[in-house]
Amino acid sequence: AQTVTQSQPEMSVQEAETVTLSCTYDTSENNYYLFWYKQPPSRQMILVIRQEAYKQQNATENRFSVNFQKAAKSFSLKISDSQLGDTAMYFCAFTGANSKLTFGKGITLSVRP
Amino acid sequence: KAGVTQTPRYLIKTRGQQVTLSCSPISGHRSVSWYQQTPGQGLQFLFEYFSETQRNKGNFPGRFSGRQFSNSRSEMNVSTLELGDSALYLCASSLEVYSYEQYFGPGTRLTVT
Repeated sequence: AQTVTQSQPEMSVQEAETVTLSCTYDTSENNYYLFWYKQPPSRQMILVIRQEAYKQQNATENRFSVNFQKAAKSFSLKISDSQLGDTAMYFCAFTGANSKLTFGKGITLSVRP
Repeated sequence: KAGVTQTPRYLIKTRGQQVTLSCSPISGHRSVSWYQQTPGQGLQFLFEYFSETQRNKGNFPGRFSGRQFSNSRSEMNVSTLELGDSALYLCASSLEVYSYEQYFGPGTRLTVT
């Protein structure tokens, strides 16, 4: 069975600064996808970024980038130039052969003005 | 293109009753998954439907059931409600079973009293 671990329950960052959210996972599969989802206080879950395990290049989406370390089973999210709208809960998630999403417990990120 | 819609958005039920939640996927999406979100257990996978067939099921009791219609709309049903069923129920749709990107609806907040 796959597991996803987010060990930091909450973090805070000053507006315009950079923050990194950590995630580790465990799986015996070789082909899988990893995701970061954002859930703002309005509760709509939004896909932030995804990474295919077979790709060595780290995914980037504007201010969001990941550091994917396959051997270490680590998948961290870096948010550059943090904005107030980035305040939300962030979930790391895994999907493999059975296509269901396994989520971490989430981390609450607060961006301070 | 309209996003995933879920109805109703809020629901209050009494222990022992049953409830039906509805989910309309993004137009053209054929796969629908359901998740339960609670503060204690986080996000847990309930089941996935594709072409009116249940493909995957999570570790939930038989009181939780679902179905999918020919237009890809899906419903989930919870019978004999318990206090512990109080949660946010999220529906997610994807193009195909292995398209890996799931798009979430706003959720239905169920409160059982």
